[in-house]
Amino acid sequence: DGGITQSPKYLFRKEGQNVTLSCEQNLNHDAMYWYRQDPGQGLRLIYYSQIVNDFQKGDIAEGYSVSREKKESFPLTVTSAQKNPTAFYLCASSIWGGHQPQHFGDGTRLSIL
Amino acid sequence: QKEVEQNSGPLSVPEGAIASLNCTYSDRGSQSFFWYRQYSGKSPELIMFIYSNGDKEDGRFTAQLNKASQYVSLLIRDSQPSDSATYLCAVKGGSQGNLIFGKGTKLSVKP
Repeated sequence: DGGITQSPKYLFRKEGQNVTLSCEQNLNHDAMYWYRQDPGQGLRLIYYSQIVNDFQKGDIAEGYSVSREKKESFPLTVTSAQKNPTAFYLCASSIWGGHQPQHFGDGTRLSIL
Repeated sequence: QKEVEQNSGPLSVPEGAIASLNCTYSDRGSQSFFWYRQYSGKSPELIMFIYSNGDKEDGRFTAQLNKASQYVSLLIRDSQPSDSATYLCAVKGGSQGNLIFGKGTKLSVKP
């Protein structure tokens, strides 16, 4: 089945530690996105990528990093510089441009130990 | 700052009634409009999208768009308890692929 797979489902981070969230899609979409959702809040864009080997900062990129070495994969690293990382992280993908909707993975819930 | 505004609710309707969810947006150049449903603890799932003025119907759901008023709505007919969720409005501007999300309206359908 085509879809977006995020792993792990739950992740715990110790102080000073970097952690990486995985996102893989087999929808052949060009564009991929990372969002953060805090309780009772909408989605805020962290990073997005239109094509392989290119990505752009979103509204809240500080403390995060990404790579896009393959079309199918867009991992997100939450660095130790992100002082409040506890949130629900959502990966999405879409055909770039036009009226195309974004489709979401099941999310990763990150907490501080 | 481009904004998307939704009433946070909760909006409570009895089973079988029509639920009306509203969304306004600030960027007059916005081109595409999306409604997502998000159950508690889950990821958003696409319900409908619309890009032309007027109504678009899909089963029990109708999206309505009025670009002059910068207003988009979602009607849910014959509401069911399974429709209880948070509904997110998202807006895409111009040629960009990025969406701007509202904070969502929580809908509760009472049996």
